[in-house]
Amino acid sequence: AQSVTQLDSQVPVFEEAPVELRCNYSSSVSVYLFWYVQYPNQGLQLLLKYLSGSTLVESINGFEAEFNKSQTSFHLRKPSVHISDTAEYFCAVSPRNTGFQKLVFGTGTRLLVSP
Amino acid sequence: DSGVTQTPKHLITATGQRVTLRCSPRSGDLSVYWYQQSLDQGLQFLIQYYNGEERAKGNILERFSAQQFPDLHSELNLSSLELGDSALYFCASSTTVDSPLHFGNGTRLTVT
Repeated sequence: AQSVTQLDSQVPVFEEAPVELRCNYSSSVSVYLFWYVQYPNQGLQLLLKYLSGSTLVESINGFEAEFNKSQTSFHLRKPSVHISDTAEYFCAVSPRNTGFQKLVFGTGTRLLVSP
Repeated sequence: DSGVTQTPKHLITATGQRVTLRCSPRSGDLSVYWYQQSLDQGLQFLIQYYNGEERAKGNILERFSAQQFPDLHSELNLSSLELGDSALYFCASSTTVDSPLHFGNGTRLTVT
């Protein structure tokens, strides 16, 4: 079985400051790793994913995440946040042998960006 | 807009009742997933259908059932509702079982 831990339930930050949202996972098999973002009153949107290859993956809106196998982590970072980044962010894993079928989500981290 | 349509957006009903939630996947997507998001349990995978057939099952209660129709839309049926069933129910779809999921905006169910 897999589990995902997002230790920070809420992260307040000022606009243009850097941010890191932490994600650690536990799994007895190899996994795919994902970050999803949920804006208010909307569904989840895929932000970025790690399937294989380079351990650093980037999204189109400036977020990046690095897969660290030894620390079983997949932290999300952004060097300078905007007000519009205010949302809930979910880390998720899926066993490689099930493809993307059985996503296991963390409890989410609410990013609050203030001016 | 993800292209996944869920209806209704909101549903308020009483304990013991039965409701049906509907999902239309993105055009061309064969796989449909149902997730439940509640305050105490977080996001939980319920069930997946692929081209009309059940493909994977998660933490779905026996009181809940789902199906995917020939036109690929899916319905999630919740019966003998309890207060604890109040949650946001998401549908997601993907092109194949190896493609990323695209989520709808959810149906918020309130059981009173």
